[in-house]
Order: sequence, then C-alpha cells, then structure tokens
Amino acid sequence: DVKVTQSSRYLVKRTGEKVFLECVQDMDHENMFWYRQDPGLGLRLIYFSYDVKMKEKGDIPEGYSVSREKKERFSLILESASTNQTSMYLCASSFQTRVRDSPLHFGNGTRLTVT
Amino acid sequence: DAKTTQPTSMDCAEGRAANLPCNHSTISGNEYVYWYRQIHSQGPQYIIHGLKNNETNEMASLIITEDRKSSTLILPHATLRDTAVYYCIVVSGTYKYIFGTGTRLKVLA
Repeated sequence: DVKVTQSSRYLVKRTGEKVFLECVQDMDHENMFWYRQDPGLGLRLIYFSYDVKMKEKGDIPEGYSVSREKKERFSLILESASTNQTSMYLCASSFQTRVRDSPLHFGNGTRLTVT
Repeated sequence: DAKTTQPTSMDCAEGRAANLPCNHSTISGNEYVYWYRQIHSQGPQYIIHGLKNNETNEMASLIITEDRKSSTLILPHATLRDTAVYYCIVVSGTYKYIFGTGTRLKVLA
C-alpha cells in the first residue's frame, strides 16, 4: 500500500514563527501536493510539485512556500505564521504518468494551530 | 475543471445499499470522475474512479450516466464504519483536483 507520512499530527506555533511541515511518500510518485482544509471551504490546493525542485502554485499560495529536494519528500513552509493559517494541512502524492488516471494518496494530516 | 454538485448529507440504514449521487453537468470528454471519502480526523481515502464505463472494486461501484453528466457511488452493504464525508471530483489534464464540500453520509444502526 502507498504510504504518505506527515511528520506531525498536531502542531501549535506562535504568530511570526517559521513553520515547517514535512511529508514523505514511499511509492516513488512524481507528483506531490499540499492542501489545507477548513470547515465549509473543502480542500484547497496550496502548492504542488511534479518533479524534484519543480513547483507550481495552487489556488492559495500566499504566505506559503515549498521545497522538494528529494523525490520522496515535499515540505511546506510558513515563512511567518499567522492566525489565519490555523488549519488542517494535507499532503498527497500520485504518479505523473496518465495523471488523469492516477489517484491521489493522502497522508493523515497535520492540524496546525497558530496562537 | 468541471464542478460537481452533491447533497449535503444523507442517512442510510446499516446493511442496506448507500447510493450517493453527484452531478457534473459541465464535464468534458477527457475528464475522469473520482470518489474519495474522509473519515473524521483522517486524510481523504481513494475509493474508485472512472471515465465512461461503470466500475466496481472491493469497496464500491461507480455508475456513470451515458451522457456523463452525473454519477452514483454505491456502497452495497453499508456498515457503521462507512460513516464519512464522500467527495465526488472530476479531473482533467491539469494537476488540480477540485474538492467541494462533499456529502456527509451517516450509517444508522
């Protein structure tokens, strides 16, 4: 089975802190994604990456950056955390080949609280 | 990417079939229909997907209408563990999977 592992289930950070959320997948997937999930808003795409060192902005990239130095690892960085970034963050991965026919596999999420 | 419309919530008796509808009237010819579910406090779980033909796997069946403007996810014998939010999404050649707010399915004992 595909395993997507997010380093923390729960995080509490202070406003202004730099925050790193880590995600690792073990299936040699080319594509990796970061979403945030908020009540009533569904899942919203922050960034995705289709190869090492490659990244594309999603729908809500403001206040975030990403890093993909190795194929299996995709990091989300909050440069200066703010309270409106309190959310559930979900990482996902998929094969690049036939992207329309390749399911996303999600991790179990990191619930981040910024105080 | 096409948008989808799903009922906000549904109930189903344990042991009965759960039929979850989804409208995707603006779907284009190369877009797949995917279904995921999310159990509380977990990440979304892939269930099934299809393009034109009906599909079945160990979890569910997917029925897509001939005009592809709607689909139905069928859980043949719902259990309490199937209580979750179910998302229907359509995927084109982009990398964007647009998740809506889904259908909250409650399986009743």
